Amino acid sequence: KQEVTQIPAALSVPEGENLVLNCSFTDSAIYNLQWFRQDPGKGLTSLLLIQSSQREQTSGRLNASLDKSSGRSTLYIAASQPGDSATYLCAAAGLNDYKLSFGAGTTVTVRA
Amino acid sequence: NAGVMQNPRHLVRRRGQEARLRCSPMKGHSHVYWYRQLPEEGLKFMVYLQKENIIDESGMPKERFSAEFPKEGPSILRIQQVVRGDSAAYFCASSPSPREAFFGQGTRLTVV
Repeated sequence: KQEVTQIPAALSVPEGENLVLNCSFTDSAIYNLQWFRQDPGKGLTSLLLIQSSQREQTSGRLNASLDKSSGRSTLYIAASQPGDSATYLCAAAGLNDYKLSFGAGTTVTVRA
Repeated sequence: NAGVMQNPRHLVRRRGQEARLRCSPMKGHSHVYWYRQLPEEGLKFMVYLQKENIIDESGMPKERFSAEFPKEGPSILRIQQVVRGDSAAYFCASSPSPREAFFGQGTRLTVV
């Protein structure tokens, strides 16, 4: 059974600092890994999707890396802004089933 | 192209009543997932459906819960005889292919 862990559970940084969010998974047989953002009381917004054959994906200030052999993915957010404050969730999609296994998320606060 | 539409956004039910949660996938999407999110917890997989078929319901409680995705109309998650422990946010996601997810805004169920 896939277990996904996100550490730390919460993070507070001053505006302008770079953010590094970690995601680890126990089963390296993944189809893809996705990063989502969730604002309080809202749904999930897809940020980046990395296929298992890829090492990283970039979108604007966001960059996500994937290392299947070590069971890790990292989301980097450059030059953080108060609008980046949210909970960030990673999810691993299984090779042998169709479900996404989610981590509990990292709640980020960017202080102005 | 409208996003995934879930309704109602908020639902209050008394113990013992039935809850029906609706999810209209994005146009062209034939895959639907349902997830449940409890306070301070991550998203837990419930069920994965394709048009008219349940593909994986391994996350669904054995009793009181059912899901369908008919040929026409929205996907429905049905909870019979609700109990206080069913209070949670229920999220639907759709995709054009397995293992991706575009989420709706969720239905927040409160059982009183």
